[in-house]
Amino acid sequence: NAGVTQTPKFQVLKTGQSMTLQCAQDMNHEYMSWYRQDPGMGLRLIHYSVGAGITDQGEVPNGYNVSRSTTEDFPLRLLSAAPSQTSVYFCASSPTFTPYGYTFGSGTRLTVV
Amino acid sequence: GIQVEQSPPDLILQEGANSTLRCNFSDSVNNLQWFHQNPWGQLINLFYIPSGTKQNGRLSATTVATERYSLLYISSSQTTDSGVYFCAVGGATNKLIFGTGTLLAVQP
Repeated sequence: NAGVTQTPKFQVLKTGQSMTLQCAQDMNHEYMSWYRQDPGMGLRLIHYSVGAGITDQGEVPNGYNVSRSTTEDFPLRLLSAAPSQTSVYFCASSPTFTPYGYTFGSGTRLTVV
Repeated sequence: GIQVEQSPPDLILQEGANSTLRCNFSDSVNNLQWFHQNPWGQLINLFYIPSGTKQNGRLSATTVATERYSLLYISSSQTTDSGVYFCAVGGATNKLIFGTGTLLAVQP
């Protein structure tokens, strides 16, 4: 039982490049979410999903896309990376349809130059 | 949306001391959780406490929903308690919104 797995752990991108941050959970959790953490700003919700095929926007969705084709996977896509997207990204999952009892991944540190 | 404010922003304690962390929120909530982020960045769920009081070892939490605040108590602090403590709240939507956290440093 691996919990929530995020890949990669570290990534450096050039401005304008695209990439996908992967998040997978093996706990059959319904709810999954992506947060970004910046110094002094806590964690801010980017996108979330209450189940396969259903996604919605969080507090800071601009510049990010998500999809939820399976219960297990919730990838976060940056279509054209900008320096403002330099951050640490966390994926979290919850066993219910609501954000209760979160399990967090270990994070992806992204630098956009 | 719901605003979440945590205080104090920073706290330094000697090992063995007690502390109280506060979380204020701007609207009624049906979901309130406390998290600890250790110095290596790992986030752990401490309490789910939209109302009432809970205790887990040296940690306890109280939420007074009618007055829109929650308190996290740490007793007999240890160096392993160091890190950032986050309060997160959710209301009518399925969004869990985090405060900016309290950075706790426990010195031996």
